[in-house]
Amino acid sequence: GQSLEQPSEVTAVEGAIVQINCTYQTSGFYGLSWYQQHDGGAPTFLSYNALDGLEETGRFSSFLSRSDSYGYLLLQELQMKDSASYFCAVKKSYNTDKLIFGTGTRLQVFP
Amino acid sequence: DGGITQSPKYLFRKEGQNVTLSCEQNLNHDAMYWYRQDPGQGLRLIYYSQIVNDFQKGDIAEGYSVSREKKESFPLTVTSAQKNPTAFYLCASSGTSSGVSGNTIYFGEGSWLTVV
Repeated sequence: GQSLEQPSEVTAVEGAIVQINCTYQTSGFYGLSWYQQHDGGAPTFLSYNALDGLEETGRFSSFLSRSDSYGYLLLQELQMKDSASYFCAVKKSYNTDKLIFGTGTRLQVFP
Repeated sequence: DGGITQSPKYLFRKEGQNVTLSCEQNLNHDAMYWYRQDPGQGLRLIYYSQIVNDFQKGDIAEGYSVSREKKESFPLTVTSAQKNPTAFYLCASSGTSSGVSGNTIYFGEGSWLTVV
């Protein structure tokens, strides 16, 4: 089978750092993406890792270890607006962007 | 501005009826997708299309149908065969992928379908 596991919920305070983990088991792997979704809204792209290592984009960073089938999203200097659900997604096919999504992690940021 | 437009935002369906959700994109993307999201859950792929006049089943295609007659449009029909259609439906698109480089997937604002 195939699965992506994430913690269901994470809480933190403004200014803190939080890490959201994702472990995956899929038939085929061509990269790990992260998406943010506010309640009732559309998911928006945050980052993509095809190779091992850390990708940094402003306050957000994403890490991938293919040997461990593991990745994480790191959010720094948390702001209230970061309260949302975060999904990891695996690109399973070489020539399509068809993604398999995890069940999501709901992040709540408190003052 | 470029983007993906889904309509309607909210739709109520009586049991036994077919309904069609519209999705239009002006991003000149080749690939389009339909995902279903249940409350508190992740996204599950219903259908996807990489080129006009061609589409493939995703993981939960039963009870749904699609067409791709134009590059810009990828409507989804929820048929009466779908036994539990109440959900949030998301349309998405992306440029032609090139191997491991990947491409960003852009989502529409979604359509809420409720069976009454």
